Amino acid sequence: NAGVTQTPKFRVLKTGQSMTLLCAQDMNHEYMYWYRQDPGMGLRLIHYSVGEGTTAKGEVPDGYNVSRLKKQNFLLGLESAAPSQTSVYFCASSSTTNLYFGPGTRLTVL
Amino acid sequence: AQRVTQPEKLLSVFKGAPVELKCNYSYSGSPELFWYVQYSRQRLQLLLRHISRESIKGFTADLNKGETSFHLKKPFAQEEDSAMYYCALSGPGGTSYGKLTFGQGTILTVHP
Repeated sequence: NAGVTQTPKFRVLKTGQSMTLLCAQDMNHEYMYWYRQDPGMGLRLIHYSVGEGTTAKGEVPDGYNVSRLKKQNFLLGLESAAPSQTSVYFCASSSTTNLYFGPGTRLTVL
Repeated sequence: AQRVTQPEKLLSVFKGAPVELKCNYSYSGSPELFWYVQYSRQRLQLLLRHISRESIKGFTADLNKGETSFHLKKPFAQEEDSAMYYCALSGPGGTSYGKLTFGQGTILTVHP
């Protein structure tokens, strides 16, 4: 099992560009999440999904959109990137007893 | 609003010394508390949950509802304990699970 994988690992964008981060899990988990990690801020929940076809806003959803068309995939989109979105992005999925994280995507917006 | 506070950004101890990583929370209800750890070049992973009442890698954490704290302790630190530690909180299980509120994190360094 690969667990939770994220694509890409690194990306540099210019302000105003768009991109999609892909998260995939092979554990058949219903719940999936996107967090961002910033120094001194801990991890903050952006969006989450409690099942295929469903999404919901987390703590810091502005500037991001998500989709969960397939149970195993959870996509995070930035339509018009801003420097404030420079961060490390973590995807996670959960059973009812544990949260499994991906390796992270380091995004820099210039 | 729920909040988790880890007052120490950095904590340094020598090998064999006791270590305590502090975590305080605010939540109106019965929260679930967790400690997550991120070792160098590894993924963030669960260290322990308060409801499990278990000791993992020699670490324990007791939920003190009166002081709203969930401090992580280990009597004898090892060099391999050096990592970033996050305290986290969620509402009671079910769909709240995974919607964690994280503290700011504490970087623990254990010197030889």
